[in-house]
Amino acid sequence: DIQMTQSPSSLSASVGDRVTITCQASQDISNYLNWYQQKPGKAPKLLIYDASNLETGVPSRFSGSGSGTDFTFTISSLQPEDIATYYCQQYDNLLGITFGPGTKVDIK
Amino acid sequence: QVQLVQSGSELKKPGASVKVSCKASGYTFTSYAMNWVRQAPGQGLEWMGWINTNTGNPTYAQGFTGRFVFSLDTSVSTAYLQISSLKAEDTAVYYCAREGPLGQWLVPWGQGTLVTVSS
Repeated sequence: DIQMTQSPSSLSASVGDRVTITCQASQDISNYLNWYQQKPGKAPKLLIYDASNLETGVPSRFSGSGSGTDFTFTISSLQPEDIATYYCQQYDNLLGITFGPGTKVDIK
Repeated sequence: QVQLVQSGSELKKPGASVKVSCKASGYTFTSYAMNWVRQAPGQGLEWMGWINTNTGNPTYAQGFTGRFVFSLDTSVSTAYLQISSLKAEDTAVYYCAREGPLGQWLVPWGQGTLVTVSS
């Protein structure tokens, strides 16, 4: 199994702050890493695919980077509507999909 | 637009079965795989597996074999998740999610179906 870890598990930041979340895979997953946003009571929404590609319609303050085992997700300027839990997700041809445990983002 | 609409919440007793539906619209149903994801109350996302909508062949993740069955009715562009011998620990929101157009990311997602198992 490929294990995914995320840090931090939660964070609190002010509006306008730069927020960074990291995701680490237990083995090399190339760039098969995606990021989702889930607001309370809602379905997850794809933000970033293949590590660094912004999904259509997603604000440009969201970005992703990394390859291999280490990945970063950034919100360049936190907005009140960004309050959510963020999940990384990897894909492996043989083993399928694994999600990270999530990072809850709050406003300070 | 591409959309997945799931059936409504269910309340079931332990030992019963439930069948959740996921109706797709806005694209050719048999061109993209359908995935299922579970989210227990207050917990993270857990991938259950996927079904090839062209062949009907399902693939189940570890922990989701035996009581869980994925199926299709391509005539109405609908995927199904059936869970038998329900247990209290099956209480969760179940999401269907389509494979992305170029790879293994999930977009869009259905709105989720809450299955509550309680005596």
